Amino acid sequence: GESVGLHLPTLSVQEGDNSIINCAYSNSASDYFIWYKQESGKGPQFIIDIRSNMDKRQGQRVTVLLNKTVKHLSLQIAATQPGDSAVYFCAEKAGANNLFFGTGTRLTVIP
Amino acid sequence: EAQVTQNPRYLITVTGKKLTVTCSQNMNHEYMSWYRQDPGLGLRQIYYSMNVEVTDKGDVPEGYKVSRKEKRNFPLILESPSPNQTSLYFCASSLGTGIGSAFFGQGTRLTVV
Repeated sequence: GESVGLHLPTLSVQEGDNSIINCAYSNSASDYFIWYKQESGKGPQFIIDIRSNMDKRQGQRVTVLLNKTVKHLSLQIAATQPGDSAVYFCAEKAGANNLFFGTGTRLTVIP
Repeated sequence: EAQVTQNPRYLITVTGKKLTVTCSQNMNHEYMSWYRQDPGLGLRQIYYSMNVEVTDKGDVPEGYKVSRKEKRNFPLILESPSPNQTSLYFCASSLGTGIGSAFFGQGTRLTVV
């Protein structure tokens, strides 16, 4: 089955710095990827998605990069703010009708 | 306001006592799914539904049932709960797994003693 994981379980950054959260996936057939943010006591919240025919996609303060060669996905958050502190998940879809989620990275923003 | 509503938010029950966790969405989404979230394991899909009367197993369906009689509702049923079903449960809906974003409910924390 698919394997979605994260390189680092925790990440601490200074307020105002950029954050980079990484995700590795194992199924080369995966064609759709999503990043979610989960704050304490809440459900996951969609941040940004990317299809496999793209290498990069930008949103408001966030950028997702996809490297299919090494099966790697990253989420970049510009000018990280205290409100960005949360657990971030990547998820992948590979042809079937369900998503596979990674275990998450906890981002802590230091004021 | 677009939302996915789960009830109850918290539930403590005893082994073997049937329970239902309700999920309702107001976005006319066709796709709905249930996940459980456990420490170190992330989100794992239990069941999903592509549309009314169309349901299918996810990764961890054992011990669970679902139904999709109406587009907006997708209840999760535990016929005989066991302690290993103690977990945090999330319902989600979307236009499709590859289309747009999935909206998640606030979660239901279930404890089976």
